[in-house]
Amino acid sequence: EIVLTQSPGTLSLSPGERATLSCRASQSVSSSYLAWYQQKPGQAPRLLIYGASSRATGIPDRFSGSGSGTDFTLTISRLEPEDFAVYYCQQYGSSSLTFGGGTQVEIK
Amino acid sequence: QVQLVQSGAEVKKPGSSVKVSCKASGGTFSSYAISWVRQAPGQGLEWMGGIIPIFGIANYAQKFQGRVTITADKSTSTAYMELSSLRSEDTAVYYCARGVVPAAIDSSWFDPWGQGTLVTVSS
Repeated sequence: EIVLTQSPGTLSLSPGERATLSCRASQSVSSSYLAWYQQKPGQAPRLLIYGASSRATGIPDRFSGSGSGTDFTLTISRLEPEDFAVYYCQQYGSSSLTFGGGTQVEIK
Repeated sequence: QVQLVQSGAEVKKPGSSVKVSCKASGGTFSSYAISWVRQAPGQGLEWMGGIIPIFGIANYAQKFQGRVTITADKSTSTAYMELSSLRSEDTAVYYCARGVVPAAIDSSWFDPWGQGTLVTVSS
């Protein structure tokens, strides 16, 4: 099973700042089969990025994904008030899907 | 646009079973996998398994093998997740989510998700 480790656990930033979230895999994720989700309190996760760097339909271009192999990054170029939430990465390149532990982006 | 609507909250006794439903509307149901993902209070996301309705083939995470059964009814576009031998650690919100890649259970990302069903296990 591929273990995904997200860092930092919490990111304290102000609106307008840039957020950089990391997701590191215990072994290589084949074909960059990695997705990112946003979750707000009391809501289901929402797909942001798939294939490591492809934005889902309707996702603003301030969200971008990059990386390959074992190291992946989600970048939010300028934080909007609605972006403060928890973010999860997920790999779907092995026979057992796994999620990272999440990064909370909170208002500083 | 596919929408997934789940059944309501449940309170169960330890040792019992729970069955949660997930009804799809507005799109193709049978060709895309429905997975189940749970989230314990204040914790992260955990994939339990999934099913491809058109084939009736299910795949389960090793952790839940033998305790979870995922089924689907093509006629009503509804998927089900039954978890048995419940214990307090199974208290969580259970989500269904549709795979985006056709006929792929464990090689797809998820979109959309159901609204979640809270299952509370308590004596």
